[in-house]
Amino acid sequence: DIQLTQSPSSMSASLGDRVSLTCQSSQGIGNYLSWYQHKPGKPPKPMIYYATNLADGVPSRFSGSRSGSDYSLTISSLESEDTAIYYCLQYDEYPLTFGSGTKLEIK
Amino acid sequence: EVQLQESGPGLVKPSQSLSLTCSVTGYSITSNYWGWIRKFPGNKMEWMGYISYSGSTSYNPSLKSRISITRDTSKNQFFLQLNSVTTEDTATYYCAREEDSGPDYWGQGVMVTVSS
Repeated sequence: DIQLTQSPSSMSASLGDRVSLTCQSSQGIGNYLSWYQHKPGKPPKPMIYYATNLADGVPSRFSGSRSGSDYSLTISSLESEDTAIYYCLQYDEYPLTFGSGTKLEIK
Repeated sequence: EVQLQESGPGLVKPSQSLSLTCSVTGYSITSNYWGWIRKFPGNKMEWMGYISYSGSTSYNPSLKSRISITRDTSKNQFFLQLNSVTTEDTATYYCAREEDSGPDYWGQGVMVTVSS
């Protein structure tokens, strides 16, 4: 199975900060990587697909990028509603696999 | 609008079978792929398997022969059965539509506890 390593596992940042979360793949997956935001009591919400594409309805402060086997989710200016756990998911091959998540909190 | 809703017992005894239903509205399950995903206490997420528009299935090898996903197209529902459960199967179970971009529409999730 393809392993996705997310870092950091948790972080705390201030409102307005620029925040970057990282996901590293154990093997090549091209751009077949998505990011999800998960808040308690709600289903995971797609944020980014195909590594860099913003999902419908997602604020433009979110962006995705790729450098080789490293993928990043960046929030340009952190807002209070961004508190959540963020997961990366590879869908290049089955079984689909998730990263272990980054818990993002507001200071 | 595509909507999915899981239903099923919230408590299952060890060694028994876990059975869940996903009811889909706003889209036919005879299109696309339809999957089950679970989130464990401690936040690990695991893709379990899917049933396709044609009824073919694919499962996570980690679940070996314990899992079965079936469907009833007349009711626009698909089902999860997980046999021989243990406490390690305690999780929140989600059904989701799988698109070329990954799972896009998800149900609200149902928490299942395995305990005697």
